[in-house]
Amino acid sequence: EADIYQTPRYLVIGTGKKITLECSQTMGHDKMYWYQQDPGMELHLIHYSYGVNSTEKGDLSSESTVSRIRTEHFPLTLESARPSHTSQYLCASSESGYYNSPLHFGNGTRLTVT
Amino acid sequence: AQTVTQSQPEMSVQEAETVTLSCTYDTSESNYYLFWYKQPPSRQMILVIRQEAYKQQNATENRFSVNFQKAAKSFSLKISDSQLGDTAMYFCAFMKHGSNYQLIWGAGTKLIIKP
Repeated sequence: EADIYQTPRYLVIGTGKKITLECSQTMGHDKMYWYQQDPGMELHLIHYSYGVNSTEKGDLSSESTVSRIRTEHFPLTLESARPSHTSQYLCASSESGYYNSPLHFGNGTRLTVT
Repeated sequence: AQTVTQSQPEMSVQEAETVTLSCTYDTSESNYYLFWYKQPPSRQMILVIRQEAYKQQNATENRFSVNFQKAAKSFSLKISDSQLGDTAMYFCAFMKHGSNYQLIWGAGTKLIIKP
């Protein structure tokens, strides 16, 4: 069913740990995005990419970093996790060339930092 | 800066009823796109319907339709003959033309369909 995959689905880690959230898509989309979503709140874009070796920061300041070495893969890394990073992280992708092209979302990673 | 407001944090209706979710936005742009996305419990977010601002005709997708009032900056979603599977969070989103595909999101409306 899903063409965009996020792992892990749930993660509980201690403060100070380094973590990488994985996101892969099989649709060949050039554009990929990472959103942060807190309960009852709007989605906030934290990173996006228009293609290989292209990454940009979104409108929400984030201490995370991303990389795009392959079209299908867009991992997000937190070098030192803090309780303030507790949230749900959604990965998405979309086709190029159409302004109203829909976003395809993964199932999300729910991160808890203790 | 653009903003999107969904004034109904939660709604519930009986199965088979019609329900309307409200969305208003603030922008000085004339060329933009509007979207409704649905996020079922523990499942992926998916696109429900989209509207180009330059089109006067309201978009329709099966039981889902929008009432797009450009002058009022309103973009409501109507769900007809609601089904249990419509239970989800619904997010309204705005994208300015030429904005590098970045969406501005509302806070969402939790819709519960009761049997």
